[in-house]
Amino acid sequence: SYDLTQPLSVSVALGQTARITCEGNNIANKNVHWYQQKPGQAPVVVIYREKNRPSGIPERFSGSNSGNTATLTITRAQAGDEADYSCQVWDTGTMVFGGGTKLTVL
Amino acid sequence: EVHLLESGGGLAQPGGSLRLSCAASGFTFSNFAMNWVRQAPGKGLEWVAGISYTGTNTYYAGSVKGRFTISRDNSKNTVYLQVSTLRAEDTAIYYCAKDIYPHPEGHLDSWGQGTLVTVSS
Repeated sequence: SYDLTQPLSVSVALGQTARITCEGNNIANKNVHWYQQKPGQAPVVVIYREKNRPSGIPERFSGSNSGNTATLTITRAQAGDEADYSCQVWDTGTMVFGGGTKLTVL
Repeated sequence: EVHLLESGGGLAQPGGSLRLSCAASGFTFSNFAMNWVRQAPGKGLEWVAGISYTGTNTYYAGSVKGRFTISRDNSKNTVYLQVSTLRAEDTAIYYCAKDIYPHPEGHLDSWGQGTLVTVSS
């Protein structure tokens, strides 16, 4: 089975840049999607196919994917960005999620 | 506006069964694949099952294969998840989510609010 590894937690100072990684074998060959989930709410996609933002998602959210690591970058972090972030890919007919990363804005 | 409303969750005994439903509105349901994703208390997201737009093709996570069955009724704009032979580790919020493609292969652009399944004696 295909595994995606994310750090359990990432902290960022208010207004600074946060980077959340998602590691998988040759993940650059896959379409990577990122979800944001706030407490008590359903997930929301914030980046799809590595670098595309759905309407309503701020330009502060961006993504990249190279080698064995995909990265979600959040610039000018705000208190409202505090949430769990999960990466997702498809592998041989199976959807795979990373374990999720809790982002704390200090 | 897309709306997905899950129902059917509740308390079940180990070895028991439940039927979860997800009623969809706000889009052409028969054009898109649908998925079920669950989240155990305090844990991350886990994909459970997916179904193609016609219902012809179904896909399952290894942890539920043979115990869970996904189906859909396009005339009722509803997708179902029959969960059987339940185990304590199946305790989770179960979300219904819409795929962006006719087959389960993309990202999930709309989610319901979830229905809680608790497996306990």
